[in-house]
Order: sequence, then structure tokens, then C-alpha cells
Amino acid sequence: DIQMTQSPASLSASLGETVTIECRASEDIYNGLAWYQQKPGKSPQLLIYNANSLHTGVPSRFSGSGSGTQYSLKINSLQSEDVASYFCQQYYNYPYTFGAGTKLELK
Amino acid sequence: QVNLLQSGAALVKPGASVKLSCKASGYTFTDYYIHWVKQSHGKSLEWIGYINPNSGYTNYNEKFKSKATLTVDKSTNTAYMELSRLTSEDSATYYCTRLWVYWFAYWGQGTLVTVSS
Repeated sequence: DIQMTQSPASLSASLGETVTIECRASEDIYNGLAWYQQKPGKSPQLLIYNANSLHTGVPSRFSGSGSGTQYSLKINSLQSEDVASYFCQQYYNYPYTFGAGTKLELK
Repeated sequence: QVNLLQSGAALVKPGASVKLSCKASGYTFTDYYIHWVKQSHGKSLEWIGYINPNSGYTNYNEKFKSKATLTVDKSTNTAYMELSRLTSEDSATYYCTRLWVYWFAYWGQGTLVTVSS
């Protein structure tokens, strides 16, 4: 199975700040990576697919980058509604696997 | 629009089984596989497996092969997941979800399963 190592586990940032979340795969996943946002009590929601493509309706302050085994999610100009947990997921190979998640809070 | 409506929360005794449902609407049910994902409280997500509603073909995560059984009822556009021999480790929220190409674009609201005597 492909292991996804996500960091940091938690993050505290101020409104307007830029934050970055990292995800490392245990092998090359050839950009087969998605990012999800999950708010408390809600289902995960797709943000990014193919490592850097923004899903329909997702604000442009979200962006994804990376290749090979290293990927990142960046949130520019943090808003209060961005407080949530974020997960990466590889779909290059079955079984699909997720990162452990990053809990983003406001400072 | 695509909608996946899951059954309500379940409280089940250790050793028992539970069958969760996921009713799909807004698209042709047999055109897309239904996947299931487990989220233990406050933790990350685990892919359980998928079922092809057209053929009934299933593909399971090895970890869940003896735990979960996926089925569908094409007449009601409903997918099911039965979890057997439940223990406290099975207490979690379970999501049904559907791909768009290769990524999970559509999610049910989740079903909380609590295993307790």
C-alpha cells in the first residue's frame, strides 16, 4: 500500500495569513493526488484533484502543487471559513490511501 | 444534482452485524461505482472498497475483506454495506462516495455506527 505522510498535524494561523500543508507519498504517485476539506460534523469536500487542479466552486485562494512523492496545499489570505481539517489522498493505486489530516485553527 | 443519502445512526451490540444504506439520485446509478470510506472519531479516512452497481463486481481493501460486504439494489438505486462481527474498533462514521474520474467528488452525509453493549 502507498503510505501518505501529511504534515503538520495541526496548524494555527491568523486571518489573512498564507498557510501550507505538505503531503509525502511512499512512492511516486504521478500527480494522482486530491485534497479535501472537512468541517466538524460534515463530509469531506473536494478542493484539488490531479495535484494542482481546482475543483469547481472552490475559491482561488486554494492551490495545489507538487510532483513525484512531494505535494502541498497552499491557502492564501486565510479566511475564517477555512477553519477545518484537510486531508490528502492518493488515487494512483488501490487501495486508495489518505494522509492523517491537518487541523487548521485560527490564532 | 448528484445526491447520496445515507441511513441514520446505528447503535449495535458487540458481535452483531449492521447494514448501512446509501441511496443515489441525480445520475444513472449503474454508470458509476460506489465507494465506502471509514472515519474513526477524530481520525483519518480509510478506503474500504467499491462496488460496480452494473455488474456487482467488488474490490475491497485487504484490511476490510472479512469485515465489510458491499451489495446494491438496482431497482431502488441503493448501495449497501454490511459490517459483521462488530467490535469497538468498528465504531466510526462511514461514508459512501462516488468518483468523478478518479477523485471523490460526491459524498454522502455519513452514518455513525456505535458499537456498545
